[in-house]
Amino acid sequence: DADVTQTPRNRITKTGKRIMLECSQTKGHDRMYWYRQDPGLGLRLIYYSFDVKDINKGEISDGYSVSRQAQAKFSLSLESAIPNQTALYFCATSDPGQGSVETQYFGPGTRLLVL
Amino acid sequence: GQNIDQPTEMTATEGAIVQINCTYQTSGFNGLFWYQQHAGEAPTFLSYNVLDGLEEKGRFSSFLSRSKGYSYLLLKELQMKDSASYLCAVRDASGGSYIPTFGRGTSLIVHP
Repeated sequence: DADVTQTPRNRITKTGKRIMLECSQTKGHDRMYWYRQDPGLGLRLIYYSFDVKDINKGEISDGYSVSRQAQAKFSLSLESAIPNQTALYFCATSDPGQGSVETQYFGPGTRLLVL
Repeated sequence: GQNIDQPTEMTATEGAIVQINCTYQTSGFNGLFWYQQHAGEAPTFLSYNVLDGLEEKGRFSSFLSRSKGYSYLLLKELQMKDSASYLCAVRDASGGSYIPTFGRGTSLIVHP
């Protein structure tokens, strides 16, 4: 079974619609992240959370919001989707208890198309 | 922030050796990661360097020179399944979050 899951895996929506992408993990990690990946631009950080009561903006948070409902769940919302939010979205987790080699574990990704 | 540079694309022959370079500029270097990402899949961790030198892990090795702001990933005995994107990520302590910033990735194509 996958340790980090994302739903949905694929989504097509229209401009102006509100959508939510969900991430769940069974790794017991406190830290969770949302990234988007665009061709030629690499992974860019949208939001991150170091525990349930902690939410922080990343490099490209405009147009997005997040909710950390529990240690295991971190959701990303697009309040009013626009075409340039078409991208591959990844959720990731990490465990600071690993020490300096704090590896990130990524979910399978959600491919979003905004028409 | 960091400025991370890696080649966009490389090609190599099955059975050969390839070296993928990554250069970076950061004010508070705190570790460098390499991830592998097959097309349409999630990135997976390959290696981590925080001290100068070479870290070897099977067919893959990663090297770091902090004074030069330089790392490379060395892949030996290339296999077709090594065709993937390789992401260099640098962690910077100066911002306080210690979250790695990713480069744009190097797409490696292995041909027979």
